Amino acid sequence: GENVEQHPSTLSVQEGDSAVIKCTYSDSASNYFPWYKQELGKGPQLIIDIRSNVGEKKDQRIAVTLNKTAKHFSLHITETQPEDSAVYFCAASRGYSGGGADGLTFGKGTHLIIQP
Amino acid sequence: DGGITQSPKYLFRKEGQNVTLSCEQNLNHDAMYWYRQDPGQGLRLIYYSQIVNDFQKGDIAEGYSVSREKKESFPLTVTSAQKNPTAFYLCASSDRSLPQHFGDGTRLSIL
Repeated sequence: GENVEQHPSTLSVQEGDSAVIKCTYSDSASNYFPWYKQELGKGPQLIIDIRSNVGEKKDQRIAVTLNKTAKHFSLHITETQPEDSAVYFCAASRGYSGGGADGLTFGKGTHLIIQP
Repeated sequence: DGGITQSPKYLFRKEGQNVTLSCEQNLNHDAMYWYRQDPGQGLRLIYYSQIVNDFQKGDIAEGYSVSREKKESFPLTVTSAQKNPTAFYLCASSDRSLPQHFGDGTRLSIL
């Protein structure tokens, strides 16, 4: 089955700086890669996703890049703010239409700390 | 308001007891999922259902059971066979072309 590795487990950055979180996956048939943000005691919230026919996607301060050959994808957050502090998870799926209908395989998460 | 509702927020189980976690969605999504989250860990798939009256085992189905009698409901039963049930349980739903959306979870503890 699929295996997703996520690094680093903890990332501390100064407010206003950029943060980068990296994930690798093992199943070459995976075609959908979402990123979730989870705050304490809450369920994960989707922040951005990318499908395998695209190399990069951007939404305001957040961007995701995908390298299918190397089987890795990354989350980039620019101009970080205190409200960006949370746990971030990457995931991968081979579900049809990229909707993850077969279920997602998650990385173990990155605790992002924004220092004021 | 459209969304996913999980109840209860906190649940306690005695040894040898089965407990059922509720998950309801009003997003008209076909697929629903149950995940388990342990401290400092990612989410692991327990069961999923792509359509009413059908469901498949995920990576860690042992000790759990589900049913999908209605499109909007996907309850999870944690049976006494699950020896380490203490965890945060998350329900999600999706349509074929949309990503998964999660509820706010149920925290299960052992008395």
